[in-house]
Amino acid sequence: ETGVTQTPRHLVMGMTNKKSLKCEQHLGHNAMYWYKQSAKKPLELMFVYSLEERVENNSVPSRFSPECPNSSHLFLHLHTLQPEDSALYLCASSQEGGGSSYNEQFFGPGTRLTVL
Amino acid sequence: DAKTTQPPSMDCAEGRAANLPCNHSTISGNEYVYWYRQIHSQGPQYIIHGLKNNETNEMASLIITEDRKSSTLILPHATLRDTAVYYCIVRARLIYNQGGKLIFGQGTELSVKP
Repeated sequence: ETGVTQTPRHLVMGMTNKKSLKCEQHLGHNAMYWYKQSAKKPLELMFVYSLEERVENNSVPSRFSPECPNSSHLFLHLHTLQPEDSALYLCASSQEGGGSSYNEQFFGPGTRLTVL
Repeated sequence: DAKTTQPPSMDCAEGRAANLPCNHSTISGNEYVYWYRQIHSQGPQYIIHGLKNNETNEMASLIITEDRKSSTLILPHATLRDTAVYYCIVRARLIYNQGGKLIFGQGTELSVKP
């Protein structure tokens, strides 16, 4: 248990559906992240939020839309996805700044997404 | 951020030390070396980090060469539960309000065998 929870853990959706992934961190951190992990590939950073502002969008298609309503919650809204978007989506949080050298990221268990 | 090179896979006997190497020959003076691991189908887990001194915690030891161009993660007594993909990541100290950025490579798949 890392203090970062993700729901749902598994999701199957059609290409015309709209769904949302939810992430919640209970660690009091000020930065949150979405990563994508496709089969046999390294983790890819998608979005970074720091103090609820998006500070990085790593060339992610617009069919993925992140939302960070407060420092504890992060959403990833999905619409008109493609089968190649099937992957493990991981959320992470960290405490950035304040002179800390390591800024350890804590990861949630991930949502396994299958797009049919 | 500097690029890292790791062997794709390694085997280790249970109870023995697992030594995982990482090359980061282009590391800059302000960049730290981080190690994470990912057990199958779970989120990555932080293990240890260092700048230039050797580091040890309850999970592992990190040995960084004097020129900082390579490092070794040591799991002193590997167990079956240490079977995972181990990632070596080099990253600079962050500017406040910029958020973190971990660039994961392919990592080393460690198999601990009975």
